[in-house]
Amino acid sequence: AQSVTQPDIHITVSEGASLELRCNYSYGATPYLFWYVQSPGQGLQLLLKYFSGDTLVQGIKGFEAEFKRSQSSFNLRKPSVHWSDAAEYFCAVGGNQAGTALIFGKGTTLSVSS
Amino acid sequence: GAVVSQHPSRVICKSGTSVKIECRSLDFQATTMFWYRQFPKQSLMLMATSNEGSKATYEQGVEKDKFLINHASLTLSTLTVTSAHPEDSSFYICSARMAGGLYNEQFFGPGTRLTVL
Repeated sequence: AQSVTQPDIHITVSEGASLELRCNYSYGATPYLFWYVQSPGQGLQLLLKYFSGDTLVQGIKGFEAEFKRSQSSFNLRKPSVHWSDAAEYFCAVGGNQAGTALIFGKGTTLSVSS
Repeated sequence: GAVVSQHPSRVICKSGTSVKIECRSLDFQATTMFWYRQFPKQSLMLMATSNEGSKATYEQGVEKDKFLINHASLTLSTLTVTSAHPEDSSFYICSARMAGGLYNEQFFGPGTRLTVL
């Protein structure tokens, strides 16, 4: 079955500390992977995506993610968290077939403490 | 580029009425659009896949007679919630896949908050 698992429902990080959000996927074909961020009441904002090539992907707002095929993982990282990073983060997987929707994880809520 | 809009952004309606939500790709043609639903503090769940000029494909458990989807052009898909009830209150998000686009990349709209009283 195709699925995305985000093991951490809620994470609290001190401002300035590093962050890693975990994402594991199960997908039968070549996976295309995404991380989105959502602030309360808002839509989704794409942080970064992986289609092919370099397995370390740089995104917006200082985020990066590393695709590890052997571990079926696509963890999101940031070296120094800012208070404005507090939001909901979703990992998603899709395929290259036309008409293939994205499958989303349940999300991780990030809180930033001062 | 690759902007998707939704209208309205927020709607409040009485129980029993119908509500139409529009999803538009502003600067590209979209062969496929997707409709997702998000309950508070939950993830996005795919409701249906809409292909231009053909009938939508609904996910299991989604009532096609209640959630009418029309994709009449390459830039517009509409979701009509018929005879809405309070349990239909949710955040509805559409996404559009660019015609001829690489890697099945989808672009998301800002969402529509539906509240049924």
